[in-house]
Amino acid sequence: DARVTQTPRHKVTEMGQEVTMRCQPILGHNTVFWYRQTMMQGLELLAYFRNRAPLDDSGMPKDRFSAEMPDATLATLKIQPSEPRDSAVYFCASAALAGPTGELFFGEGSRLTVL
Amino acid sequence: AQSVTQLGSHVSVSEGALVLLRCNYSSSVPPYLFWYVQYPNQGLQLLLKYTSAATLVKGINGFEAEFKKSETSFHLTKPSAHMSDAAEYFCAVNGWEGSQGNLIFGKGTKLSVKP
Repeated sequence: DARVTQTPRHKVTEMGQEVTMRCQPILGHNTVFWYRQTMMQGLELLAYFRNRAPLDDSGMPKDRFSAEMPDATLATLKIQPSEPRDSAVYFCASAALAGPTGELFFGEGSRLTVL
Repeated sequence: AQSVTQLGSHVSVSEGALVLLRCNYSSSVPPYLFWYVQYPNQGLQLLLKYTSAATLVKGINGFEAEFKKSETSFHLTKPSAHMSDAAEYFCAVNGWEGSQGNLIFGKGTKLSVKP
């Protein structure tokens, strides 16, 4: 049963600490997305990659957030230093896209709480 | 820029009643439109999508949606609600002309089903 795997599922940390979230996309999918979900803003696209290359990270605060794909089986989203306003659920999604109509497959999310 | 607006952040229906969740889009190019569902503590999963092949689109779990260009709408319906339909529903539009697949999501509508 192919699925997107995210770790950790829950993370509580203190302001100023570094947070790293990891995502294993579905094998064979060449596009990976990072979304953030909050009550106020809903789902926001932070960044996405095609064939491991970043295509767009304009939704991401550059001073503290960074996203990478060290290899085809791992995507990471790092926050350093973390702030209370970063508290949210972070979703990774992957897709095997040949065009703009492909389905995105979402992981179960990483719920981050910054105290 | 493309966007979607979901009317009503919360909809409540009785079991067996019609479900109608509203979505209007804005797009300068012919859009690709999607409905995703999110169950508690889970990621999003695709319900159905419009890719210009047919204006009435059928999805999983008995849901369907009709693309109406004149009304710029893509409302989601189900003839008879079931308790298991209680979830949050997101309308989305393809985010970029000639896009590589990133989606712009609406704020979501939470559906409650009363026994």
